[in-house]
Amino acid sequence: DVKVTQSSRYLVKRTGEKVFLECVQDMDHENMFWYRQDPGLGLRLIYFSYDVKMKEKGDIPEGYSVSREKKERFSLILESASTNQTSMYLCATFTLGTAYGYTFGSGTRLTVV
Amino acid sequence: DQQVKQNSPSLSVQEGRISILNCDYTNSMFDYFLWYKKYPAEGPTFLISISSIKDKNEDGRFTVFLNKSAKHLSLHIVPSQPGDSAVYFCAASAASGTYKYIFGTGTRLKVLA
Repeated sequence: DVKVTQSSRYLVKRTGEKVFLECVQDMDHENMFWYRQDPGLGLRLIYFSYDVKMKEKGDIPEGYSVSREKKERFSLILESASTNQTSMYLCATFTLGTAYGYTFGSGTRLTVV
Repeated sequence: DQQVKQNSPSLSVQEGRISILNCDYTNSMFDYFLWYKKYPAEGPTFLISISSIKDKNEDGRFTVFLNKSAKHLSLHIVPSQPGDSAVYFCAASAASGTYKYIFGTGTRLKVLA
């Protein structure tokens, strides 16, 4: 089974800080994703990457950037954290050709104060 | 524009009864659908899927029905158990074999003991 590990379960950061959210997967998957989950808004795609050093913007990329230097690691960067980025952040990989699609990490609950 | 909608943000059901979670979509090109379950402080986990070539898929207590003409799918849980209390997301894709899914806003199910 694919395992997706997010390094932090809970984070509290100050407004204006640069924040790094780390995600590691252990199955050599090309595709990796960052979503945020907010009540009433569901899961919204921030960025995804289909290969090392390759990235594409999702639906809400503003205020975020990503880094994929190695296949197993996909980092989400909040350049200057703001209170409206307080959210649950979910990293995922996707397995083509299976019924189940995404494998998600446990999530990082980020609070920006 | 929300292409995948879950119009009921929450649902309460007595233990042992049926839970019915609904999902509507607007894009007639969607041809593969996934349901995920999410507990607090955890990532979503795959529950069940359905392809547009079917109108029903069953897995134990979980059954998904697809009505293509109405652009509607529903997830039935019978019998409901307290452990089913979670947020449920549907997701839809317009191209089989792709990782581009649109998620709904989620329905919080509470099963009362």
